[in-house]
Amino acid sequence: DAKTTQPNSMESNEEEPVHLPCNHSTISGTDYIHWYRQLPSQGPEYVIHGLTSNVNNRMASLAIAEDRKSSTLILHRATLRDAAVYYCILKPRGQNFVFGPGTRLSVLP
Amino acid sequence: DTGVSQDPRHKITKRGQNVTFRCDPISEHNRLYWYRQTLGQGPEFLTYFQNEAQLEKSRLLSDRFSAERPKGSFSTLEIQRTEQGDSAMYLCASTLEVVGLQETQYFGPGTRLLVL
Repeated sequence: DAKTTQPNSMESNEEEPVHLPCNHSTISGTDYIHWYRQLPSQGPEYVIHGLTSNVNNRMASLAIAEDRKSSTLILHRATLRDAAVYYCILKPRGQNFVFGPGTRLSVLP
Repeated sequence: DTGVSQDPRHKITKRGQNVTFRCDPISEHNRLYWYRQTLGQGPEFLTYFQNEAQLEKSRLLSDRFSAERPKGSFSTLEIQRTEQGDSAMYLCASTLEVVGLQETQYFGPGTRLLVL
């Protein structure tokens, strides 16, 4: 299974940017990097994904290192509703998602 | 908003009883997944369907577990002779699988099972 390493928890202040790191040193050339998040008492929801280039959408930005061995999910202005567990997942072609324990993000008012 | 729905949301049962959960995916989605999630862990893959065909089952899926998707629409997950270790959140997700494109999975709210 493709492996990622994330900090167990992080804290942020409301309305400040948040950078959530993910290490994936064993990534192979065709593995996509996906991020999902899980709000309390809900199922996970898709945030963003990318392969090599940085990606932006309305929820977040994904910055991928040049060697692809790490990536960072960026929330530009954290809100209280962004408090969740964030999962960084490598998706090899033809294989299923493998979720780790993720990073629990707390947002302080 | 016709997202993925699951029923029931909560289930308490006694050890040894059978339970069945239902998942209604997003209507045009051809793939349906079942996951199990225990406290403090991420979801663990159990099985998935492409239309009505069950294409893969995890080693986590013991012979007490069975899943069906009879008409390629809703799916059921049954656990027979429940054990306390089956207590978990059972999540369903669906996606529209298109060859060559990365899939985005849409999750339901889950069914929380407690086995006493």
